[in-house]
Amino acid sequence: NAGVTQTPKFQVLKTGQSMTLQCAQDMNHEYMSWYRQDPGMGLRLIHYSVGAGITDQGEVPNGYNVSRSTTEDFPLRLLSAAPSQTSVYFCATRGLGATDTQYFGPGTRLTVL
Amino acid sequence: EDKVVQSPLSLVVHEGDTVTLNCSYEVTNFRSLLWYKQEKKAPTFLFMLTSSGIEKKSGRLSSILDKKELFSILNITATQTGDSAVYLCAVRRQGAQKLVFGQGTRLTINP
Repeated sequence: NAGVTQTPKFQVLKTGQSMTLQCAQDMNHEYMSWYRQDPGMGLRLIHYSVGAGITDQGEVPNGYNVSRSTTEDFPLRLLSAAPSQTSVYFCATRGLGATDTQYFGPGTRLTVL
Repeated sequence: EDKVVQSPLSLVVHEGDTVTLNCSYEVTNFRSLLWYKQEKKAPTFLFMLTSSGIEKKSGRLSSILDKKELFSILNITATQTGDSAVYLCAVRRQGAQKLVFGQGTRLTINP
């Protein structure tokens, strides 16, 4: 049982490049989400999903796309990276039952030059 | 718009001291407030609070919620260097799936 996994752990991009951050979970959680964390800003929600085929925007969705074709995977796409997207990205999951506890992945540190 | 404000943003104390971290919130139809501890990597869950006045406790850590005054506190007694971390507070409203996080409090415990 791996929990929540994220790949890659580190990535350096040039401005304008595209890439996909991967998030996978094996806990059969319906809810999956992406956050970015910047110094002094806490965690800000980018996009989230409550099940396969369903996604919605969070606080800071611009510049990011998501899709949810399976329960297990929730990739985050940067179509044209910008230096303002330099951040640490966390994926988090939760079941849709009574508990509100979210489980976080280990994070991806992205630098855009 | 839901809002969570934590204070102080940064705190430095000596080992053995007791600290109190604050989290105030504005949320429509409050459902729950959660505390997380973040060391070098991903946040890890500490407490979930839904009812006023009921203290949650785990070892030297405890937390309580005041739904009338819209805040929560996280207490850490007899602090140790391993308590050094960023402590995050988040709230969830009824009927919504997402959590809204505060900025975090960076706690440093000096030996």
